[in-house]
Parts: sequence; structure tokens; C-alpha cells
Amino acid sequence: QVQLQESGPGLVKPSQTLSLTCSVFGASISSGDFSWTWIRQHPGKGLEWIGHMYYGGSTYYNSSLKSRVIMSLDSSKKQFALMLNSVTAADTAVYYCARSAEGYSYGWGLWGRGTLVTVTS
Amino acid sequence: SSELTQDPAVSVALGQTVRITCRGVSLRSYYASWHQQKPGQAPVLIMYGKNNRPSGIPDRFSGSRSGNTASLTITGAQAEDEADYYCNCRESSGNVVFGGGTKVTVL
Repeated sequence: QVQLQESGPGLVKPSQTLSLTCSVFGASISSGDFSWTWIRQHPGKGLEWIGHMYYGGSTYYNSSLKSRVIMSLDSSKKQFALMLNSVTAADTAVYYCARSAEGYSYGWGLWGRGTLVTVTS
Repeated sequence: SSELTQDPAVSVALGQTVRITCRGVSLRSYYASWHQQKPGQAPVLIMYGKNNRPSGIPDRFSGSRSGNTASLTITGAQAEDEADYYCNCRESSGNVVFGGGTKVTVL
């Protein structure tokens, strides 16, 4: 069964860097047919696309976050990662990793359970 | 910047039909995707592309687009369809935007 699982600190201090990893189980990450995506959801709010990347290394970031975001992929570990620097309380959210539908980058058929990251001193 | 607008809430009687709409300039050029989210759960992809329904999604869900409006229709709504529904699409800039979500209540 294909699964995604987010991992990383649940608490991050303001101005520091949020780092999350998404592990892929039961499927290869080495396919150009999928986008590997991070999406977040502020408490009680809607969804926000953070960005996505492809196995080949291309990355696409939300223009509102672009200056603070880096995504990477490690095929040997079957993981992809998110780094968001200079965080503030406004970055407190549930962070989801997701895999797109095959051959279509903008709908996500596989999601992790999400991990709550709270920015607090 | 582009944005997608959804009605905050709609209700539908059990077994009846409800249409959820999503409006935005980007929808003239790009198809919407739709995700369903129930409380405390990750979203689930319901519809994507021109009219693609992932495996396991009931055929009572259908999608359409006209001009700058995308629609998700539930024909014969069931109690388990009560959830939040989010549309999204890409923009010409490469950004991806979500609508604010529509809460569907099945009466």
C-alpha cells in the first residue's frame, strides 16, 4: 500500500528554519510522472500550496513563499523535504506532503496524514 | 494575484443534487481539481483535469467548466459526502491557488 509520512519537529522558534521530511512507502519516488508537493493548512483555514518538485529536480514554489522555501528530493532514501526559513507565527499550520495524480501535477491523489508545526518561542 | 472564489457553505437534502462552484480568471485557461476534506483528515482528490475521477471515487461526483467557473456536482448526495470541498488550479505564472472551500451539509 502506497503511503506518505511527514516527519519533523512540531515546534519551531520564530526566525528559525522549519524542516520537514516526507517518506514514501510502497512506491518509487524516481518517476517523472508525479509531482511531489507540500501543502499547508492554517488552523481552521483553507489549503495553501507551498510548492512542488519533480524527480528530475525541477522545483516550483508559491510566489508568496519563494524567498524562504527550499525543496529537495533524495531518491536513495525515498524522501522529499521542505525547508522554510525565517518562520513566524503565521507559519503555524498543518503541513501535508502529497503526490500528484499520475501525469497531472495539480491534483493530489496521495496525501500524508499531515503534521502540525507550531511556531512559538 | 489570481484567486479562486467559492461559496462558504451549501446544503443539500439527502439524495438530491448539489453544485459547488469555483470562480476565477485562471479557470478560463486551466482546469480545476477538487478535493474533499472531512474533519481531522487529509484531503481526498475527487476530480481533476478535464473530467477525471480517481479510482474509488463514486460516479455521483462530476465536474464541469464554463468560462471562468468550474463546478463540482454531487448527484444523489449521501450522508458521507458531508465535508469541505476545495477547488484549485494553476496560474499562468506557475503558482497554484486554492479556493477558500465550501462546506457541504447533507440534511
